Amino acid sequence: EIVMTQSPATLSVSPGERATLSCRASQSVSSNLAWHQQKRGQAPRLLIYGASTRATGVPARFSGSGSGTEFTLTISSLQSEDFAVYYCQQYSNWPYSFGQGTKLEIK
Amino acid sequence: QVQLVQSGAEMKKPGASMKVSCQASGHTFTSYGVNWVRQAPGQGLEWMGWISGYNGNTNYAQNFQGRVTMTTDTSTSTAYMELRSLRSDDTAVYYCAREGLGHGSNYFDSWGQGTLVTVSS
Repeated sequence: EIVMTQSPATLSVSPGERATLSCRASQSVSSNLAWHQQKRGQAPRLLIYGASTRATGVPARFSGSGSGTEFTLTISSLQSEDFAVYYCQQYSNWPYSFGQGTKLEIK
Repeated sequence: QVQLVQSGAEMKKPGASMKVSCQASGHTFTSYGVNWVRQAPGQGLEWMGWISGYNGNTNYAQNFQGRVTMTTDTSTSTAYMELRSLRSDDTAVYYCAREGLGHGSNYFDSWGQGTLVTVSS
């Protein structure tokens, strides 16, 4: 089973600033890595797949990078609607697995 | 557009069974798979298993083996997830999520709205 570890657990950033979220896999998942955004009381929403491809309708301020075991989600200039919880997820091997989430909060 | 619409909230007693539905629209159901993911109150996302919309093949997470059954009805483009022998720690929001068939395309690109299941005596 692949364990996904996200850091930090909570990130406090001011609007307009850059946020960098990290995700590490316990073994290589190649580029089979997705990022999902979840706002309070809502279902998750796909942001990034293939480690770096933005899903349809996702603003260009969101970017993903990495391969193998180390991945990063960067939000270049935070907007108010970006404050949420972000989960990385590997879909390389069953059982699929999620990181524990990074809560992005307003500083 | 792609939509996954889930059944409504349920309250169950310990030891009972639950069955959540997920009706798809806006795409060819048999060209995709459906995953089930749950989220306990205040917690993260937990993958439960997958079913192919094409042929009904399944893969369940070890934690749920023997207690979960996933099925589909292609005539109504609906996926079902049944969980038996419910315990209080099964209280969670249950989500379905669509994935493409084929390695590399199997990311979760659309999610249902979630179904809250509360298990309490």
